[in-house]
Amino acid sequence: EADIYQTPRYLVIGTGKKITLECSQTMGHDKMYWYQQDPGMELHLIHYSYGVNSTEKGDLSSESTVSRIRTEHFPLTLESARPSHTSQYLCASSKRRVGGRAGELFFGEGSRLTVL
Amino acid sequence: AQSVTQLDSQVPVFEEAPVELRCNYSSSVSVYLFWYVQYPNQGLQLLLKYLSGSTLVKGINGFEAEFNKSQTSFHLRKPSVHISDTAEYLCAVSGGSTLGRLYFGRGTQLTVWP
Repeated sequence: EADIYQTPRYLVIGTGKKITLECSQTMGHDKMYWYQQDPGMELHLIHYSYGVNSTEKGDLSSESTVSRIRTEHFPLTLESARPSHTSQYLCASSKRRVGGRAGELFFGEGSRLTVL
Repeated sequence: AQSVTQLDSQVPVFEEAPVELRCNYSSSVSVYLFWYVQYPNQGLQLLLKYLSGSTLVKGINGFEAEFNKSQTSFHLRKPSVHISDTAEYLCAVSGGSTLGRLYFGRGTQLTVWP
């Protein structure tokens, strides 16, 4: 059973607010990811991290930022939310694999953000 | 970058009928392949994965998938579905030039009717 937690599960806020989506895992995984999920679309990778103090932008451009100060914690921040940020955000983690290929990802239950 | 095509966005079936959900990926030297299931308002749960070895992979809940390298496919099957199988199913791939990255298809909504 995966031990990766996201809070809040649901968030409705007004335009211009700063928000932070929390993600924590207790499996000691080096790799962590943030995906954005919209209805009928592929999951898009927006940020990833291969370890402490390592963060990279993913394939989908995002105005959000992330940090990785501790192995278990990978929060995502939006400084000024807009309606275009309305989406489901999924956090995931995985072990580092020999050869570098992505192995199994363990997902949190997601944070559904609605910006009015 | 890899790309994943799930040919059917929606698949309706009756309970106890067989089902196949199709997945094709762009060619690569070697790949890892995954099927995930997502229930409403939940995250993704791994159904099964192909890393190497036998091309027929068995997963949880009675699902299985077959890796076909020549057709670059990884179709998911179940011989007899239950209403509880109603969910979104996502195919994903990593490998080749995309080391360390996982690419997802758009998903197939499986709806099982009584």
